[in-house]
Amino acid sequence: GENVEQHPSTLSVQEGDSAVIKCTYSDSASNYFPWYKQELGKRPQLIIDIRSNVGEKKDQRIAVTLNKTAKHFSLHITETQPEDSAVYFCAATSPGANSKLTFGKGITLSVRP
Amino acid sequence: DTGVSQNPRHKITKRGQNVTFRCDPISEHNRLYWYRQTLGQGPEFLTYFQNEAQLEKSRLLSDRFSAERPKGSFSTLEIQRTEQGDSAMYLCASSLLAGGENEQFFGPGTRLTVL
Repeated sequence: GENVEQHPSTLSVQEGDSAVIKCTYSDSASNYFPWYKQELGKRPQLIIDIRSNVGEKKDQRIAVTLNKTAKHFSLHITETQPEDSAVYFCAATSPGANSKLTFGKGITLSVRP
Repeated sequence: DTGVSQNPRHKITKRGQNVTFRCDPISEHNRLYWYRQTLGQGPEFLTYFQNEAQLEKSRLLSDRFSAERPKGSFSTLEIQRTEQGDSAMYLCASSLLAGGENEQFFGPGTRLTVL
């Protein structure tokens, strides 16, 4: 089955700086890669996703890049703000997996004011 | 509120008791997933419905767990003879199977504490 790993497990950045969170996956058949943001005590919220037929997707301050050959994908947050502080989870799924998501363990992002 | 809802939000029970959780997905979504999340971990898949059919169950789901989606709308997850190791956040997510779309939207979860 799929295995998704996130590195690092914690990340602290100064407000205004960029943050990059990386994930690797194991199943070469995986074709959909969402990123979720989870604030303390709240539900995971989908913030951006990418499909295997594209290499990059941007939405305002956030972007995701995908390297299918190396089986890794990354979340990029520019001009970080204190409200970006949260746990970020990457996930992956494949057509043969009924779209069930396999999540990484999450990374805690802290943005220092 | 047109998002995914779950009830109850919190449940405290004694070991050995049965508990049941409910999930109401986004109304037009035909796929429904249950996940379990423990502290410091990402959500782990438990089971999946397409309409009323339960199409997949994780090996994490022991025979004490049962889930239903009787009319293809809301779903229930029952845990019988709860154990302390069942303490976790139980999350429900829904998505629409259409044109390869996969976006799953999560509910707020039910936090279960087994004493």
